[in-house]
Amino acid sequence: DIQMTQSPSTLSAFVGDRVTITCRASQSIATWVAWYQQRPGKAPQLLIYKTSGLESGVPSRFSGSGSGTEFTLTISSLQPDDSATYYCQQYNSYPYTFGQGTKLEIK
Amino acid sequence: EVELLESGGGLVQPGGSLRLSCAASGFTFTSYVMSWVRQAPGKGLEWVSGLSGNGENTYYADSVKSRFIISRDNSKNTVYLQMRSLRPEDTAVYFCVKTGSGAMRNWGQGTLVTVSS
Repeated sequence: DIQMTQSPSTLSAFVGDRVTITCRASQSIATWVAWYQQRPGKAPQLLIYKTSGLESGVPSRFSGSGSGTEFTLTISSLQPDDSATYYCQQYNSYPYTFGQGTKLEIK
Repeated sequence: EVELLESGGGLVQPGGSLRLSCAASGFTFTSYVMSWVRQAPGKGLEWVSGLSGNGENTYYADSVKSRFIISRDNSKNTVYLQMRSLRPEDTAVYFCVKTGSGAMRNWGQGTLVTVSS
């Protein structure tokens, strides 16, 4: 199975900051990575698909990049509404796997 | 608008069985892989199972293989997860997910399964 390792586990930043979350795959997964946002008590929401595709309705301050085994999610200018937990997911092959999550807090 | 409504969760004893259902609407059901993803209390997301649109291809996480069965009734726009030999570590919120080209595009609100004596 492909392991997805996310870092950091927690992140604290100010409104307006640029933040980056990294996900490393245990083997090459081309560009088959998605990113999700989950607010407390809610279902996750898709932000980014196929490494850099912005899902409809998602603000443009979210972006993704990478290929092979290293991927990043970037929020260009942090907003209060971005306080949430973020997960990466590989869908290169079954079984699909998620990273362990990054909890983002607004200072 | 895509809607996914899970049902069937509840309290079950270890070793017991439960069947989850997910009623879908707002999209062409047969065109999409449907998945189940779970989240144990206070923990991260775990992909559980997936099923192709025609129901012919099934996929499972190692942790549930041989215990869980995913199926669908395309005449009812419903996907199921039959869970057997349940263990305390299966306790989680189970989400039904419309899957588009592998990405988990639309999620239900989830149904809680608690395995405890």
